[in-house]
Amino acid sequence: LAKTTQPISMDSYEGQEVNITCSHNNIATNDYITWYQQFPSQGPRFIIQGYKTKVTNEVASLFIPADRKSSTLSLPRVSLSDTAVYYCLVGDRGYSTLTFGKGTMLLVSP
Amino acid sequence: EAQVTQNPRYLITVTGKKLTVTCSQNMNHEYMSWYRQDPGLGLRQIYYSMNVEVTDKGDVPEGYKVSRKEKRNFPLILESPSPNQTSLYFCASSFRQGMNTEAFFGQGTRLTVV
Repeated sequence: LAKTTQPISMDSYEGQEVNITCSHNNIATNDYITWYQQFPSQGPRFIIQGYKTKVTNEVASLFIPADRKSSTLSLPRVSLSDTAVYYCLVGDRGYSTLTFGKGTMLLVSP
Repeated sequence: EAQVTQNPRYLITVTGKKLTVTCSQNMNHEYMSWYRQDPGLGLRQIYYSMNVEVTDKGDVPEGYKVSRKEKRNFPLILESPSPNQTSLYFCASSFRQGMNTEAFFGQGTRLTVV
């Protein structure tokens, strides 16, 4: 299983773009990169998933460089409601469990 | 609306009194699992099920039981709860197993065992 490293916490202000980087140096060929968001006392929620280059949806963008050893979740124009813990998961379909790690606590201030 | 529903949301019980936390999904998912979340320990998988009548242990199965008699339901059973099972529990479902499959989580059940 690829080990992931994320910042423990990040601070931002409303309206700013936030980029959270996840390092996964030993990513395997079949691994995908998936990001989840978790609000306090709620279940994690899937945000975005990608394999290479760039993926964008209505919530976020995911940038993956060619070597795939890291990835960056980009949240455009954050609001107070984006305050949450963000988890980067790396793996393929061979795993029976989701390994979440400690995640990045994003605090958005007015 | 696609969702995973857990009940109850909050539960306070006494040591040794059997309890069941229900979980139901309406997405026809084959794969379901239970996690517990504790401060400093993150999310840890308790049990999972790849299909009806197929269940297996996760990372922390001691003190828990599960069953999968129907595809949509996956109850978590604590036969004799103890204080160290005080935790926040989440049920999850997905189309299939795997780190590259979108998982849907329930709203959580906060259990306190006194």
